[in-house]
Amino acid sequence: GDSVTQMEGPVTLSEEAFLTINCTYTATGYPSLFWYVQYPGEGLQLLLKATKADDKGSNKGFEATYRKETTSFHLEKGSVQVSDSAVYFCALRAFAGNMLTFGGGTRLMVKP
Amino acid sequence: DGGITQSPKYLFRKEGQNVTLSCEQNLNHDAMYWYRQDPGQGLRLIYYSQIVNDFQKGDIAEGYSVSREKKESFPLTVTSAQKNPTAFYLCASSITSGRADEQYFGPGTRLTVT
Repeated sequence: GDSVTQMEGPVTLSEEAFLTINCTYTATGYPSLFWYVQYPGEGLQLLLKATKADDKGSNKGFEATYRKETTSFHLEKGSVQVSDSAVYFCALRAFAGNMLTFGGGTRLMVKP
Repeated sequence: DGGITQSPKYLFRKEGQNVTLSCEQNLNHDAMYWYRQDPGQGLRLIYYSQIVNDFQKGDIAEGYSVSREKKESFPLTVTSAQKNPTAFYLCASSITSGRADEQYFGPGTRLTVT
C-alpha cells in the first residue's frame, strides 16, 4: 500500500538557519504530494503541494520539488524564523484515490 | 468567514460512554473526513464522506460511527467499543475527493476518556 516516511524529529535549529525535512514515499502511479503544517493545539494547514513530477511547490519561503526518480518531496527553507516552530507533515494522495496518506510528522523547533 | 468548526475543543468522558464530536463546514464542500492523531504520530483516517447520505470506512473505523444527513455536517460518534479513544480528532473537508484537492482542517477536538 501507499506510505510516506519522514525524518524523525525533533529538528532544532537557530534562527536564520537552513532547513531541510526529508520525505520519501511509496505509491503506485503518480500521486499528488503535499506538505501540511500544524501549530501547537491547532489543526493542519496546507503549506504547499505538487501534482506531477518536477513540479515545485512553494509558499511563505518554503519549497519542495516532486522528484519521481528518487520518490522524494523534501521540504526546504533558506532562513527559518522562531514562528516556523511547528510540526510538519508530508502526505500523498494516490492517482486514483481519494484519501490522504500522512507521514508521521517532524517537529521543528527554532531558537532565537 | 468560511471554514470548519469543531466543538468542543476539549471533551472529557467516562469509560463506557458514547460521545459525539461535532464538525460543521460552510465552505460548500462535498467531501468530509475524520482523522485521529495520537501523540508523536501522523494522522489516520477514520471515516470519509464524498456526498450527503454516503460514507466509507477508513483505516481505523472500528469503534466509531458517522452520519452525513446534511452537506455541512459530519458528526463522529466514539462508541464504548473503541478500545483506546483518548486522542486528538481532526475533521477536514475538500471541494471534492479529487486527486489534487486541498483538504481544509478544523481546529480539532481533544478527547480524554478515563
